[in-house]
Amino acid sequence: GNSVTQMEGPVTLSEEAFLTINCTYTATGYPSLFWYVQYPGEGLQLLLKATKADDKGSNKGFEATYRKETTSFHLEKGSVQVSDSAVYFCALRNQGGKLIFGQGTELSVKP
Amino acid sequence: DVKVTQSSRYLVKRTGEKVFLECVQDMDHENMFWYRQDPGLGLRLIYFSYDVKMKEKGDIPEGYSVSREKKERFSLILESASTNQTSMYLCASSLTGLAGEGAKNIQYFGAGTRLSVL
Repeated sequence: GNSVTQMEGPVTLSEEAFLTINCTYTATGYPSLFWYVQYPGEGLQLLLKATKADDKGSNKGFEATYRKETTSFHLEKGSVQVSDSAVYFCALRNQGGKLIFGQGTELSVKP
Repeated sequence: DVKVTQSSRYLVKRTGEKVFLECVQDMDHENMFWYRQDPGLGLRLIYFSYDVKMKEKGDIPEGYSVSREKKERFSLILESASTNQTSMYLCASSLTGLAGEGAKNIQYFGAGTRLSVL
């Protein structure tokens, strides 16, 4: 079946550090891939997406590339800020149109 | 801006109570969803609705029901709350159907309702 696996958190970084949050997926066909972010006390917001192999999604300095050969969609940012502290969810949309979420990775950025 | 509003941020209920969680969206979206969010499990789909009075079971519908009498409102009902239903509940909506690509079926989320069942 379809599934998404993220690296376990919490991830703690200093401000301006490089961020990688790993995400791998299992799916039939060619799913669309998403990263959602949940800031403290808020709902989820779409951060970026990619709809086909080799697509790169980007937003707010975050990037992720759809890698079909490794079934991965790792989230990266070159220089994190305290305001990036949040929980990040990787998700895929399966052929039936439903979103399948990973377990979430908490990021804490210290000044 | 799309706005998805959940009526309560925090609720405390007792075992056996009937619980209603309300969600309203103001963008004339066709689809609405209810998820629960638990640590280490991510979000799991409980029910969704693709039209007024229409509903489909998600991955974990047991113990829940839903109601969609108006397009803008989607209610989640716990007929007899149990302690294992203590969780964060998130409502979402999207403009069009599940299939296909593009911005029209991006899901927009409410802020969540944290329910504690004692």
